[in-house]
Amino acid sequence: AQTVTQSQPEMSVQEAETVTLSCTYDTSESNYYLFWYKQPPSRQMILVIRQEAYKQQNATENRFSVNFQKAAKSFSLKISDSQLGDTAMYFCAFFGQGGKLIFGQGTELSVKP
Amino acid sequence: DTGVSQDPRHKITKRGQNVTFRCDPISEHNRLYWYRQTLGQGPEFLTYFQNEAQLEKSRLLSDRFSAERPKGSFSTLEIQRTEQGDSAMYLCASSLNRDRATGELFFGEGSRLTVL
Repeated sequence: AQTVTQSQPEMSVQEAETVTLSCTYDTSESNYYLFWYKQPPSRQMILVIRQEAYKQQNATENRFSVNFQKAAKSFSLKISDSQLGDTAMYFCAFFGQGGKLIFGQGTELSVKP
Repeated sequence: DTGVSQDPRHKITKRGQNVTFRCDPISEHNRLYWYRQTLGQGPEFLTYFQNEAQLEKSRLLSDRFSAERPKGSFSTLEIQRTEQGDSAMYLCASSLNRDRATGELFFGEGSRLTVL
């Protein structure tokens, strides 16, 4: 069975600085997708960034980028130029042949002014 | 497109009562998922549908839980004889599965259940 582990329950960063959230996963599959989802306080979960496992190039979306290390089964999220609106729970998630998202425990990120 | 909508947003019930949640997915989306989330935790998969077919049901889901998606449109999640341990946020999500599923799910705001 696939598992997703986020070892940082809470993190904080100063506005305009850079922060990296960690995620590791376990799977025997070779084709899969990895995601970071953001859940702001009392609001719905939204997709931040997606990585396809067969692509070696790391995905980027504006201030958000990932460091995907397939052999190490590591998938970290880097947020550059942090903004107050980035304050949220961030979930790493795996999507494979099972057809469903498997989430990590989450990292609560606080961006401080 | 109004996104995924869930109703009710908050339900308070007494132990032993039955509750039903409704989810209306994005109109053209053929996959619909239910997750349960407790405070400070990641969402746990409960079940999902491809059109009207229920493709998988988690072992976490006891016989008191049932989900339907008649005609492949909206879905309902019913919990019978609620227990205090059922208190959680119930999230619905939908996705468009063309040639292959990609895992890009669109979530609703959730239905929060409190069992007294």
